[in-house]
Amino acid sequence: QQQVKQSPQSLIVQKGGISIINCAYENTAFDYFPWYQQFPGKGPALLIAIRPDVSEKKEGRFTISFNKSAKQFSLHIMDSQPGDSATYFCAASNSNYQLIWGAGTKLIIKP
Amino acid sequence: DAGVTQSPTHLIKTRGQQVTLRCSPISGHKSVSWYQQVLGQGPQFIFQYYEKEERGRGNFPDRFSARQFPNYSSELNVNALLLGDSALYLCASSLGFPGLAVTYEQYFGPGTRLTVT
Repeated sequence: QQQVKQSPQSLIVQKGGISIINCAYENTAFDYFPWYQQFPGKGPALLIAIRPDVSEKKEGRFTISFNKSAKQFSLHIMDSQPGDSATYFCAASNSNYQLIWGAGTKLIIKP
Repeated sequence: DAGVTQSPTHLIKTRGQQVTLRCSPISGHKSVSWYQQVLGQGPQFIFQYYEKEERGRGNFPDRFSARQFPNYSSELNVNALLLGDSALYLCASSLGFPGLAVTYEQYFGPGTRLTVT
């Protein structure tokens, strides 16, 4: 029940295309859902986050869609660029601040 | 403003040895969390500290311990190192503990790459 399942494991998208990464959770006590971007040899960088009281949040080219009833959330990267090539992690936490992470998606943007 | 800093960057230890990793949070942040990230996987929660008190502990053996100092910096100690402890150890800081009027956002440092041989 503590797991966060992330898919796909890897993703190749053409430059200018839309990258979509999906996550699903079981624990209905989760109330905070961030996405992190990680480059090789670096720590994860907070990209965007959402709370379950909204269904969508957009920041620049990055959008989180949240479906509370299905217990799913997804990251959309519009106009994907080669610089977006990285590993993306979804995560979830409840009021104890302990982030539970997905397994990661390695995104490659082809020029 | 400086972000989360961690030291050392890289570390090579032998099985059975002990290691201490250090973290300085973002200025003004009072909560520090430690995560272990094995290559190719998502991070796993180890500890959370707030105001020098342990507020959460993940599913790690007692060989792992941590503490937070009055200036909110933190140390993670691992005793009797095993080959399986080889990983990137990440420190994250956040403003405060839930229940207060603060955000959940956690900001990560670059990590310490520990290799156990």
